[in-house]
Amino acid sequence: DAGVIQSPRHEVTEMGQEVTLRCKPISGHNSLFWYRQTMMRGLELLIYFNNNVPIDDSGMPEDRFSAKMPNASFSTLKIQPSEPRDSAVYFCASTQGGGGGYQPQHFGDGTRLSIL
Amino acid sequence: SQQGEEDPQALSIQEGENATMNCSYKTSINNLQWYRQNSGRGLVHLILIRSNEREKHSGRLRVTLDTSKKSSSLLITASRAADTASYFCASYSGGYQKVTFGTGTKLQVIP
Repeated sequence: DAGVIQSPRHEVTEMGQEVTLRCKPISGHNSLFWYRQTMMRGLELLIYFNNNVPIDDSGMPEDRFSAKMPNASFSTLKIQPSEPRDSAVYFCASTQGGGGGYQPQHFGDGTRLSIL
Repeated sequence: SQQGEEDPQALSIQEGENATMNCSYKTSINNLQWYRQNSGRGLVHLILIRSNEREKHSGRLRVTLDTSKKSSSLLITASRAADTASYFCASYSGGYQKVTFGTGTKLQVIP
């Protein structure tokens, strides 16, 4: 079975440019998460969707970050304008179920983003 | 930071030895999960322990949970070189899937 698919795997761009990260969750999963991982801050939850609706976006660092889930099989995380401090590995994860977190999350292999 | 803490930050052992990693969290939880991350890859789920459980086993993995101390430990027995990875605890609280990951333990198993 296909796992969580993220694209691109690597992105290098210049400061000020718009960056769009994409995620295809596992079919049948109704919860989707976006995370950011850095050496300094570890793994941070940015936003969580349930049934395509954003439930908790308290981890989104600034208004420059936005996330959408137009349907059950696709989500995007956009940074506009990008800054060097946004450089990190961004992960998408999906899972079944709703409250309580009693199902494991399935992670993609991430997008390594470098902002010059 | 709302992150849980894990210790040690790094651990190096010989193949065949046991590895123990500890995790502390800050709020009441529904359950706690452990994940492994190989270099350059996403996290992979290992085991889940519910808040009303004290110990759980899966193959060479043993997880304990002490809710009074807000702590958990992961024991990997008879380690193998393939166990080399970073290990994270993830604590789940609240009515939905509010999750907080620990800072991780980097394990190196020397053949």
